Amino acid sequence: AQSVAQPEDQVNVAEGNPLTVKCTYSVSGNPYLFWYVQYPNRGLQFLLKYITGDNLVKGSYGFEAEFNKSQTSFHLKKPSALVSDSALYFCAVGSNDYKLSFGAGTTVTVRA
Amino acid sequence: EAQVTQNPRYLITVTGKKLTVTCSQNMNHEYMSWYRQDPGLGLRQIYYSMNVEVTDKGDVPEGYKVSRKEKRNFPLILESPSPNQTSLYFCASSNLGAYGYTFGSGTRLTVV
Repeated sequence: AQSVAQPEDQVNVAEGNPLTVKCTYSVSGNPYLFWYVQYPNRGLQFLLKYITGDNLVKGSYGFEAEFNKSQTSFHLKKPSALVSDSALYFCAVGSNDYKLSFGAGTTVTVRA
Repeated sequence: EAQVTQNPRYLITVTGKKLTVTCSQNMNHEYMSWYRQDPGLGLRQIYYSMNVEVTDKGDVPEGYKVSRKEKRNFPLILESPSPNQTSLYFCASSNLGAYGYTFGSGTRLTVV
């Protein structure tokens, strides 16, 4: 069985400060890791993914994530947060069967 | 434009009245899946399909049915909806091997 843990229900940061959203995973075999963002009353928007290769993945809107195999983590980061980054963020893990398992989500609030 | 289209976007129904939520993709993807999103639980997979006439249960299949008669369509059927099926539903499709998942805009279902 595969699973994802997002240990923080909420993350609050001031605009201009670094933003980190944590994610750890459990999966048999090689993991395929994803981050999605959901704005209020909207669908899921793809931010970035790790399939193979470089452990540092760069994605949309200035976000990046680092794959750490030894710590089974895939934390999402942004060097300088914007108020418009306030949203619900989901980490997901997949494997060879193509099933995606999602974390419970982390609500990010960026205050001006 | 490549997309996954779900209908309707919003639906309020009464307990026991059969309903169907449609999902269609225009990317010739083999893989399609249904998820439900509930606060604090993230997205949980209901059913998935690896190709035409091939469907299988996800993590929370009880009370739902699906069919895959054509590659582009993957309707979700609730034969006898109950209030605990009130949720936000997402359809997704993927080109197997590319690990690119595209999500629909969501269907907010309320069963009273």
